[in-house]
Amino acid sequence: DQQVKQNSPSLSVQEGRISILNCDYTNSMFDYFLWYKKYPAEGPTFLISISSIKDKNEDGRFTVFLNKSAKHLSLHIVPSQPGDSAVYFCAASTGQGAQKLVFGQGTRLTINP
Amino acid sequence: KAGVTQTPRYLIKTRGQQVTLSCSPISGHRSVSWYQQTPGQGLQFLFEYFSETQRNKGNFPGRFSGRQFSNSRSEMNVSTLELGDSALYLCASSLVAGQHEQYFGPGTRLTVT
Repeated sequence: DQQVKQNSPSLSVQEGRISILNCDYTNSMFDYFLWYKKYPAEGPTFLISISSIKDKNEDGRFTVFLNKSAKHLSLHIVPSQPGDSAVYFCAASTGQGAQKLVFGQGTRLTINP
Repeated sequence: KAGVTQTPRYLIKTRGQQVTLSCSPISGHRSVSWYQQTPGQGLQFLFEYFSETQRNKGNFPGRFSGRQFSNSRSEMNVSTLELGDSALYLCASSLVAGQHEQYFGPGTRLTVT
């Protein structure tokens, strides 16, 4: 039972354009969501997060949108840069035992010059 | 500030053996979590330690265990290794227990033959 789903295994975007990565969840108890970026041979790197009391959080080129009614969140990267090429993981946690992150399967983003 | 360090980075073991992996959190971080990453199951939560106590445990058999020392360093142990235990084992640290944002180490790649 996959509670967090990233339905696109890969995404290819031209440099300078917007990258949109999507994530769906099924557990309505999730109240905190995070995005991590992972390069090969490295651990995931925390990018940005959002609490369920918000619907948008912005940090530089990265914006996360949360639609609670649709149980959907997305990560927007504008403008996309070659260094953004990596695997992106969506993760969720509940207020109880918040340390336990439930991850999606990841989306491999490739930024083309 | 040094990041999360994990040792060893690579390990090859035989079925039936046991293995111990080590994790040193970021200086000042007192909470450590462990995750297993496999191609089929993705990133899955193993357990979380804070103040030398296990706070949370994922759905893994009892062959997987861990501990945390007074200096916040943590070890995880897998006994009676099975082929399916081959995975990347990631350690993550955070300042306190229950903090959503976690910072990951590079992982230990375990291969069971």
